[in-house]
Amino acid sequence: QKEVEQDPGPLSVPEGAIVSLNCTYSNSAFQYFMWYRQYSRKGPELLMYTYSSGNKEDGRFTAQVDKSSKYISLFIRDSQPSDSATYLCAMKRGTGGFKTIFGAGTRLFVKA
Amino acid sequence: AAGVIQSPRHLIKEKRETATLKCYPIPRHDTVYWYQQGPGQDPQFLISFYEKMQSDKGSIPDRFSAQQFSDYHSELNMSSLELGDSALYFCASSLMRKPEFGYTFGSGTRLTVV
Repeated sequence: QKEVEQDPGPLSVPEGAIVSLNCTYSNSAFQYFMWYRQYSRKGPELLMYTYSSGNKEDGRFTAQVDKSSKYISLFIRDSQPSDSATYLCAMKRGTGGFKTIFGAGTRLFVKA
Repeated sequence: AAGVIQSPRHLIKEKRETATLKCYPIPRHDTVYWYQQGPGQDPQFLISFYEKMQSDKGSIPDRFSAQQFSDYHSELNMSSLELGDSALYFCASSLMRKPEFGYTFGSGTRLTVV
């Protein structure tokens, strides 16, 4: 079993829809949770960063972490065609040299 | 702003050959990470360096080695290449005392082994 599970999709939504992306994980030691966005043939770029449980909002994006359920979510409001990309959840045990473990990524298509 | 620079962008090698991938992190970033991403796969952690010392090791084959130099650039050396080594290799850098900034990834080196 992989440490981080993420539905690869693809997920296709109309422009303006609310998108919900999710990941589950098995290692309760994870404390730092991130969402990266990856466009085709590009490296992942950091979208959201949260520590421990709770919500964090940044513009149209909201990240939620539920450590008790080992479940994290990313919500995208008013989705735009430019949001079409692969979204990877990521997590790590601590700061310092701890490696980041990535989910498989969910491919999102937002149709105009 | 300066980003993470990787070279070359594309590399084609034959089986059993050797390849060297280079990574130039963002200036003043003290940690470098190498990831391998197969087609449609999540990035798999290979190895990381903090202040030029190896800090963590993942699923890196014994045929691969890496190091970080005094100018903080890093090289991933891959020998006895196999067809299965064909993938996108990403380098990322970060500043350890600013974990909230996450990693900054380079654009990757696409390695094709034929």
